[in-house]
Amino acid sequence: SQQGEEDPQALSIQEGENATMNCSYKTSINNLQWYRQNSGRGLVHLILIRSNEREKHSGRLRVTLDTSKKSSSLLITASRAADTASYFCAADTGTASKLTFGTGTRLQVTL
Amino acid sequence: NAGVMQNPRHLVRRRGQEARLRCSPMKGHSHVYWYRQLPEEGLKFMVYLQKENIIDESGMPKERFSAEFPKEGPSILRIQQVVRGDSAAYFCASSPPAHSDTQYFGPGTRLTVL
Repeated sequence: SQQGEEDPQALSIQEGENATMNCSYKTSINNLQWYRQNSGRGLVHLILIRSNEREKHSGRLRVTLDTSKKSSSLLITASRAADTASYFCAADTGTASKLTFGTGTRLQVTL
Repeated sequence: NAGVMQNPRHLVRRRGQEARLRCSPMKGHSHVYWYRQLPEEGLKFMVYLQKENIIDESGMPKERFSAEFPKEGPSILRIQQVVRGDSAAYFCASSPPAHSDTQYFGPGTRLTVL
């Protein structure tokens, strides 16, 4: 079954606006991670939130986790054109440490 | 400290040929993971290896695909008799010996099967 389904699939905003992406997962997790992928490139680790945490900040990033709803959100504040990328959530279920990725949100930030 | 290295970055093969993808983990990392990404999709786990051992290969197709991580040298993902459906980006990630929550990803190998 698919873990980490994300919405929206695509999001287009103007520079300076905030971008919110959501992720839902199906089974218990050790932690949930967010990655960024620029077009045709590898993945960059953004932030990790553990199952006993509810909110975490890193620079312009804010991640929340609601284990009762099996959902997480990633907020990027004051977006920049350089934030244009695909964003993936990845669930660490503790099974051999493999990550189960969502389908991703494609974020477009225009000037 | 160099990051995870993968080569080649781009690989073109004709149907029926073999594809060999290499991954050199970060220095000091002994855990390697392979993932596949089809166009417009997220990454799908394939296999998790430690030095000389396959720990979890639940995501590997039953036929034509194999992986190894020898005592010396890079990890190899081998695809025999490639078909067009194997065209994808293949990513390798590594993590250190002690349990680590974070995996460090390489730039990927983009395989195109003609």
